[in-house]
Amino acid sequence: GQSLEQPSEVTAVEGAIVQINCTYQTSGFYGLSWYQQHDGGAPTFLSYNALDGLEETGRFSSFLSRSDSYGYLLLQELQMKDSASYFCAVPNTGGFKTIFGAGTRLFVKA
Amino acid sequence: EPEVTQTPSHQVTQMGQEVILRCVPISNHLYFYWYRQILGQKVEFLVSFYNNEISEKSEIFDDQFSVERPDGSNFTLKIRSTKLEDSAMYFCASSYPIGTSGESAKNIQYFGAGTRLSVL
Repeated sequence: GQSLEQPSEVTAVEGAIVQINCTYQTSGFYGLSWYQQHDGGAPTFLSYNALDGLEETGRFSSFLSRSDSYGYLLLQELQMKDSASYFCAVPNTGGFKTIFGAGTRLFVKA
Repeated sequence: EPEVTQTPSHQVTQMGQEVILRCVPISNHLYFYWYRQILGQKVEFLVSFYNNEISEKSEIFDDQFSVERPDGSNFTLKIRSTKLEDSAMYFCASSYPIGTSGESAKNIQYFGAGTRLSVL
């Protein structure tokens, strides 16, 4: 089976850096995705790692260590609009089924 | 920018009634998905659809649920006899087939805005 664990909530101040961790257990591993969801909104894709290392997309970066079954999402220069839930997700081989973590609610304070 | 559209945005129904939730995926995507999210909880996979058949389904997707692609653009989720616990937000998503380069390599799923289903 597949399962993912991430913290339920994180609080940080505007302008700071925050890291949201995700550990996973999968029967086969294809890659780790990150999605953002604002209250009342739809999940939107942020980042994806198939190989070990860091992927950078503007203020957001994502890291993967396949040997540790671990990844994280790094948000820099936090803004109030970054307050949202962040989900890590793993697709199975072929991409026919994606399992989402329970989500980390990020609160950004002024 | 192309987007996934879902209708209606909010559906209210009585327990035991049938509902059909509709989705128009992005036109050149080939994989289609339905997810459910109970308020405040995680996004739960229901079913995926490719090449006019179900590719994979979760244990939530029991005989009360069915999906259909009745024409070249729509993708529907039917719940035959709704229960109170079916109340949730239902998201449709679509993606390119998993490939080895570009967007295909990332299995990026594009989600619609969702249909909030309220079963009374």
